[in-house]
Amino acid sequence: QQQVKQSPQSLIVQKGGISIINCAYENTAFDYFPWYQQFPGKGPALLIAIRPDVSEKKEGRFTISFNKSAKQFSLHIMDSQPGDSATYFCAARPFSGGYNKLIFGAGTRLAVHP
Amino acid sequence: NAGVTQTPKFRILKIGQSMTLQCAQDMNHNYMYWYRQDPGMGLKLIYYSVGAGITDKGEVPNGYNVSRSTTEDFPLRLELAAPSQTSVYFCASSPNSGGPPYEQYFGPGTRLTVT
Repeated sequence: QQQVKQSPQSLIVQKGGISIINCAYENTAFDYFPWYQQFPGKGPALLIAIRPDVSEKKEGRFTISFNKSAKQFSLHIMDSQPGDSATYFCAARPFSGGYNKLIFGAGTRLAVHP
Repeated sequence: NAGVTQTPKFRILKIGQSMTLQCAQDMNHNYMYWYRQDPGMGLKLIYYSVGAGITDKGEVPNGYNVSRSTTEDFPLRLELAAPSQTSVYFCASSPNSGGPPYEQYFGPGTRLTVT
């Protein structure tokens, strides 16, 4: 069974600090790795994504690092702000699944304290 | 565009009752999905559809049924509700773009409690 394991389950960071969330996958048949951000009472929304032929992708304060050999990828939030407080999900798209299906991690609840 | 809309927002069911969760999208997306979100468990795929008249099971389909008679609508039916179906349900849609970002657009969710 294809799985994506995410850690930590919850994270507290001071304003201005770096938030790091890690994910690992157990199957090599994934071809796309997005991160979704979910605010309380809302549905998840795409934050940033990476393909496996790229080791790093940066968009503003958000960076994905991808280690293909270790089957791991992580989200770094630089200069974390209270407005970043949300639940973050990593995900992976099965290569053969089609239909844009995604396998989601369990989620990380991030709290950024002022 | 309203995006993906879901109704109702909240619902309390008694054990054994049935209900339909409504989902609609106005983006002309081919692909639609139903997820359930339980604390600490992430999003689990219940059913998905690749177009009108075509549906398939996801990871946790037991106790649910779906239909897709139009591109816009993808209702989820719960028959004989059980406490294990207490969850937040999200509907999502995605375009058949043939390439990245393969983005799924989520609705605001329906919080269901079965007692």
